[in-house]
Amino acid sequence: DIQMTQSPSSLSASVGDRVTITCRASQSFDTYLNWYQQKPGEAPKLLIYAASSLHTGVPSRFSGSGSGTEFTLTISSLQPEDFATYYCQQTYRTPWTFGQGTKVEIK
Amino acid sequence: QFQLVESGGGVVPPGGSLRLSCAASGFTFSSYGMHWVRQSPGKGLEWVAFIRHDANNKNYPDSVKGRFTISRDNSKNTLFLQMNSLRAEDTAVYYCAKDLDGGNSGYLDSWGQGTLVTVFS
Repeated sequence: DIQMTQSPSSLSASVGDRVTITCRASQSFDTYLNWYQQKPGEAPKLLIYAASSLHTGVPSRFSGSGSGTEFTLTISSLQPEDFATYYCQQTYRTPWTFGQGTKVEIK
Repeated sequence: QFQLVESGGGVVPPGGSLRLSCAASGFTFSSYGMHWVRQSPGKGLEWVAFIRHDANNKNYPDSVKGRFTISRDNSKNTLFLQMNSLRAEDTAVYYCAKDLDGGNSGYLDSWGQGTLVTVFS
């Protein structure tokens, strides 16, 4: 199985900060990488698919980049509603696997 | 608006069985691949099953292969997950999720609210 490792596991940031989360894969696979946001008590929501494509309705302050084994999710200006846990997911080879999550907390 | 509503969760002893359902509305269910994804309490996400829009292809990870069976009834817009030989490590919230297309792209663009399965003796 392809292992996905996110860093950091958690971070504290303030409203307006630029935030970057990294996801590393145990093997290279072009851009088969997605990002999800999950708030407490809610289901995950798709933010970005194919590494850099913004899902419908997702604010433009979210962006994704990368290919191969290293990918990043960037929030250009953190908003109060962005405090949540973020997961990456590879869709290169089944079983689809997720990173362990990065919790973004209020500083 | 896409809507997915899971049901069927509960408490079951080790070795027991449970059948989860997911009622879909707001989209043409028969045109999309569907998935089940689980999340153990306080833990991350694990994909557990996929079924193609026409049910002609199904995939599972090794952790549930041979124990779990995914199926669908396109006439009733409903997805199912039959879980047999349940283990303590199967305890989780189970989500059904819609694929972005009819196949298995893995892009999960809509999720239900989840149903809790607890395997406990």
